[in-house]
Amino acid sequence: SAVISQKPSRDICQRGTSLTIQCQVDSQVTMMFWYRQQPGQSLTLIATANQGSEATYESGFVIDKFPISRPNLTFSTLTVSNMSPEDSSIYLCSVVVDGDTIYFGEGSWLTVV
Amino acid sequence: GIQVEQSPPDLILQEGANSTLRCNFSDSVNNLQWFHQNPWGQLINLFYIPSGTKQNGRLSATTVATERYSLLYISSSQTTDSGVYFCAVENTGRRALTFGSGTRLQVQP
Repeated sequence: SAVISQKPSRDICQRGTSLTIQCQVDSQVTMMFWYRQQPGQSLTLIATANQGSEATYESGFVIDKFPISRPNLTFSTLTVSNMSPEDSSIYLCSVVVDGDTIYFGEGSWLTVV
Repeated sequence: GIQVEQSPPDLILQEGANSTLRCNFSDSVNNLQWFHQNPWGQLINLFYIPSGTKQNGRLSATTVATERYSLLYISSSQTTDSGVYFCAVENTGRRALTFGSGTRLQVQP
């Protein structure tokens, strides 16, 4: 398994501002992903964080709104830009371990007021 | 893309009861995992089970890949089993998961 730490665990932000979420893994992992879970909903993939290159975004998500960095094999950041109340969600980082099994961080609860 | 349907959407049990949660998926999969999301939002990995049967304590899971469904069995339920159970699948080789809508389980004392 892997220990995945996310910061912040929870935050309340003003609309129009930006917040950067960090994801730190205790071992090197090749594949890292960011998901969003809106209130009462299931999880939706935002993007694949690629080490050393631009992230790969899913339909409906764009780099200007959700810029992602992946400077090495143990760390990634997701920024939620120009936030609105609709961005209030849990944001989760996930990694692939042991080739197949996918693990998640504890999530970052974001409330935009 | 692949579709994932979970049933039932909601389930209320008395402590000690057994339950079966179902996950149907629309295409063949490379990966299928069951997760439990606790009230604090943490996703706990229960099983990696693209096919076959596995057991872990009071929980077990079976995936019949040829018929495109998976079942999660919870026996002798406890209040700590409460939360949302998600089935998630992957079939593109990218290792990114597609989640079902979840089953919200409430175990009453």
